[in-house]
Amino acid sequence: GAGVSQSPSNKVTEKGKDVELRCDPISGHTALYWYRQSLGQGLEFLIYFQGNSAPDKSGLPSDRFSAERTGGSVSTLTIQRTQQEDSAVYLCASSLDGTGSTDTQYFGPGTRLTVL
Amino acid sequence: QKEVEQDPGPLSVPEGAIVSLNCTYSNSAFQYFMWYRQYSRKGPELLMYTYSSGNKEDGRFTAQVDKSSKYISLFIRDSQPSDSATYLCAMSGNTGGFKTIFGAGTRLFVKA
Repeated sequence: GAGVSQSPSNKVTEKGKDVELRCDPISGHTALYWYRQSLGQGLEFLIYFQGNSAPDKSGLPSDRFSAERTGGSVSTLTIQRTQQEDSAVYLCASSLDGTGSTDTQYFGPGTRLTVL
Repeated sequence: QKEVEQDPGPLSVPEGAIVSLNCTYSNSAFQYFMWYRQYSRKGPELLMYTYSSGNKEDGRFTAQVDKSSKYISLFIRDSQPSDSATYLCAMSGNTGGFKTIFGAGTRLFVKA
């Protein structure tokens, strides 16, 4: 079956512009995660959605970052007034039910964001 | 200090070598330990999963967990050029919900 898809695969933007990154999780997966991956920094957790529960936004680095998940499926990560330090690969993952410890996360290919 | 420490490498070995990749961690609450493999321009994919201490073997791959030392390892036997990738350790447990903490990843190059 289809895996996690993300779009666009690459995004180049100018400092100060807003960007939207999209994630389509695996059908039937109730949990969805956003991570940021910078060179040599590993995966930095951003936000987590589980079913109809309020999202865990504790990893968002500033109020310029926001995310929503419509209808329990597709998610959009929005970065307002982008800064050069926002340049990174943004990865989305989904899992069956978000029970955490034993619930395998399946990752998309990521969106490579470059802020000039 | 990061919760999970992993040498970013790069690590370069000849084909057929035994590869050892390692991570250390500080949070004793971690109980579930994972290794992900990430090829260039791709997302990470789960390679091995281990609960608590001990060894787990899957083909050419062996995962080891030593909770007393807070140290985990991934061994790759008879390494192949197709094993060239970034390997990320990850761990989770009763640390406050679902969160999985990832290491920085080690870049591995296997030369033919």
